[in-house]
Amino acid sequence: SQQGEEDPQALSIQEGENATMNCSYKTSINNLQWYRQNSGRGLVHLILIRSNEREKHSGRLRVTLDTSKKSSSLLITASRAADTASYFCATEPYYNQGGKLIFGQGTELSVKP
Amino acid sequence: GAVVSQHPSWVICKSGTSVKIECRSLDFQATTMFWYRQFPKQSLMLMATSNEGSKATYEQGVEKDKFLINHASLTLSTLTVTSAHPEDSSFYICSARRPNFGNQPQHFGDGTRLSIL
Repeated sequence: SQQGEEDPQALSIQEGENATMNCSYKTSINNLQWYRQNSGRGLVHLILIRSNEREKHSGRLRVTLDTSKKSSSLLITASRAADTASYFCATEPYYNQGGKLIFGQGTELSVKP
Repeated sequence: GAVVSQHPSWVICKSGTSVKIECRSLDFQATTMFWYRQFPKQSLMLMATSNEGSKATYEQGVEKDKFLINHASLTLSTLTVTSAHPEDSSFYICSARRPNFGNQPQHFGDGTRLSIL
């Protein structure tokens, strides 16, 4: 069952602005992952943050994790038109039935040039 | 390059036809692969976990006889939609994860768009 909630559902910004997406989940986790999906394509892995980590960076991406609040955020700085895509958080539950992931509802990001 | 290859990319067929979708792990031996279904503008719903050499584990509400999964080798899992009907039309995506390592991401295929007329 879906356990992740993301907000906003849709986000429209201008190129150069920062984009922040939030994700909440319900159960204990091993890790939380962020993926990107371009329209009609598969998912591309962006960042994985472990349950004992609080912040992680990769290029223009910054992910935070607050396990006490069961929430995470993805920040994309200096956004580009090419960042236009859907972004999903996914959690690997602590009970980890074979590594399966539970996906959030996703945020549709539109970056206007 | 792609780590997971999914084929075909799209299928259009008549109602009642059975359709097979292949998912290949190109870069590593995948003892476990996953099959998802995605409706337009919605998130991914896990259908089943494909285990090499054993039966797949289906999520609640997914019909085993409708969605047959075969994971006969460490690099190939197949999903067969049997006697497909228009309501089976959807975007199907597979993924694989490197085995025996915790805290690893999943690698996704590019998906298969299935349209049943």
